[in-house]
Amino acid sequence: EIQLVESGGGFVKPGGSLRLSCKGSGFSFPNVWMSWVRQSAGKGLEWIGRSKSETDGGTIDYAVFVQGRFIISRDESTNTLSLQMDSLKPEDSAVYYCTTDFYCSNEGCYAGTLGYWGQGALVTVSS
Amino acid sequence: QSVLTQPPSVSGAPGQRVTISCTGSSSNIGSNYDVHWYQQLPGTAPKLLIYTNTNRPSGVPDRFSGSKSGTSASLAITGLQPEDESLFYCQSFDSVLNGVVFGGGTNLTVL
Repeated sequence: EIQLVESGGGFVKPGGSLRLSCKGSGFSFPNVWMSWVRQSAGKGLEWIGRSKSETDGGTIDYAVFVQGRFIISRDESTNTLSLQMDSLKPEDSAVYYCTTDFYCSNEGCYAGTLGYWGQGALVTVSS
Repeated sequence: QSVLTQPPSVSGAPGQRVTISCTGSSSNIGSNYDVHWYQQLPGTAPKLLIYTNTNRPSGVPDRFSGSKSGTSASLAITGLQPEDESLFYCQSFDSVLNGVVFGGGTNLTVL
């Protein structure tokens, strides 16, 4: 069974930093792309960025709004995806989800879809 | 302002059929990027509902179906049931933004 478990959420003051982690299991972590998505209270889904597998270049793409404040990284030895968030603003308050960039059915695996989601980590930025 | 446009809300009576549209542009859906749909029940993480335009993950009832044409996609739900009340999001990829894009979400109410 594919599982994603996030940790590291919490309360932080504006300008502060926070690091979220997402541990994956049930799939070959080094070979898959992973994404972070957030959802502010009462708002829609917002893609933050994604980490490609090493076999696909290992590059990381970010949404325009990130503007260098967030850094996505991955540790293949622990099957963990991380999101380092710096210079946090109140508008960054949201539930943060990690997702896989694939879905596997009985017929095979399909890239490009956010097939599996973690339970979410709540981040609150407030003075 | 979301890159993909969805109606904020739709509603229907139990047993009826509703559709949710997802309108994009030439840099996303119109460039033949796949459209995926997610369902989010209150207080839970989104769940994949339709992948690669028309495919249902195992466990998703065949009352849910997806289609895509040109720069738009649609999610159809037939035989509405009270438990279908939730938020629905469409998602694709945008070549100009070089990233994943979502619709703003549609709130389904079963009357």
